[in-house]
Amino acid sequence: ETGVTQSPTHLIKTRGQQVTLRCSSQSGHNTVSWYQQALGQGPQFIFQYYREEENGRGNFPPRFSGLQFPNYSSELNVNALELDDSALYLCASSLGGSWDSYEQYFGPGTRLTVT
Amino acid sequence: AQSVTQLGSHVSVSEGALVLLRCNYSSSVPPYLFWYVQYPNQGLQLLLKYTTGATLVKGINGFEAEFKKSETSFHLTKPSAHMSDAAEYFCAAQGAQKLVFGQGTRLTINP
Repeated sequence: ETGVTQSPTHLIKTRGQQVTLRCSSQSGHNTVSWYQQALGQGPQFIFQYYREEENGRGNFPPRFSGLQFPNYSSELNVNALELDDSALYLCASSLGGSWDSYEQYFGPGTRLTVT
Repeated sequence: AQSVTQLGSHVSVSEGALVLLRCNYSSSVPPYLFWYVQYPNQGLQLLLKYTTGATLVKGINGFEAEFKKSETSFHLTKPSAHMSDAAEYFCAAQGAQKLVFGQGTRLTINP
């Protein structure tokens, strides 16, 4: 059984650019959630995808968007990057798309630096 | 809205001493509660979880936590700290589709 994987590990972008982060969910899981963790803070919920549909969204602007594919892997896209987007982006997978999807398994994260 | 508060952003204990990390939640309905650990430059690892049933929950690495509804608390303890316990610890509550995290507590172990 493979765990949650994320790519790339690190990347550096310039303000105004666009970035795509990728996540492969744990085997058998159909739900992927994305979190942003700024330095020294707890993770903040961005959105969740369940069976390829957005299933909940946190307080993030529309320039944060996502996709989930038929194999349940997922992408997080951020347009018009701002300096405050610099953070660790965590992907978590789970089974189920509602209140019972309580056990989320996290990947190692992608460290994004915006200069 | 649900919220989680971790008291103390930084806790320092001696090796072999008791570890106590405090967490309080705000919810009209007792939520599912979790403790995660994060080592430097890594993702989050689940230590333990409370869903229903027994209020004293045992987790990995000798950690345990007790759910106290009357105090809306879910404090994390370990009887004897080890150097390898040095890390960031996050308390979280399950909301609709999401986990709501506290700000984290950095645990330092002194030799």
